[in-house]
Amino acid sequence: QMQLVQSGAEVKRTGSSVKVSCETSGDPFTYRYLHWVRQAPGRTLEWMGWITPFTDNTNYAQKFQDRVTITWDRSVSTAYLVLNSLKSADTAMYYCARGRRGSFHYWGQGTLVTVSS
Amino acid sequence: DIQMTQSPSSLSASVGDRVTFTCQASQGISRSLNWYQKRPGKAPKLLIYDASNLATGVPSRFSGSGSGTHFTFTISSLQPEDFAAYYCQQSDNLPLTFGGGTKVDIK
Repeated sequence: QMQLVQSGAEVKRTGSSVKVSCETSGDPFTYRYLHWVRQAPGRTLEWMGWITPFTDNTNYAQKFQDRVTITWDRSVSTAYLVLNSLKSADTAMYYCARGRRGSFHYWGQGTLVTVSS
Repeated sequence: DIQMTQSPSSLSASVGDRVTFTCQASQGISRSLNWYQKRPGKAPKLLIYDASNLATGVPSRFSGSGSGTHFTFTISSLQPEDFAAYYCQQSDNLPLTFGGGTKVDIK
């Protein structure tokens, strides 16, 4: 069974950056993609990008391409999401999820990021 | 980007009811369609992958069907814990995209 534990809630100012972590445990071979997905209040789920921990390949949704970085620290089996130039519209619950290229099989508990001026 | 349209956006039902709702893709996606359940305050949960495959540990009252552009999700006998939002998601093309959701609440 795979488990994902995310870092705690963050409150950030407009224009700043946030870094969210996601520590994983369990079988890493079946689900080779670590995704980040967010949900803003009242809105649907939105895929941000993935990293493949074995090869460090990344792929980002074009919407976030110039503001997001996903990394993996294999020494602690932890993925990180960094989102720059924060706007109020980035206020959302951020989830990491482990899965296949196109599906999200195991999810973290979520990290609330609040952006205010 | 592939647009996913779910209908209805909400429905009311009672425990024991059979409920069905749909998801339409803006272009053909073969059977690359997944369904998730989202309860308030909880992370999403994968229920169905590749249009009709039940995810590990998911009760058999949940089922999915369809291919191409039109997909259906069914709960054969609604249970109290099933009152939640349900989202479809296409995995055929990047970026991965979700539908707007169908919220199932108590009649």
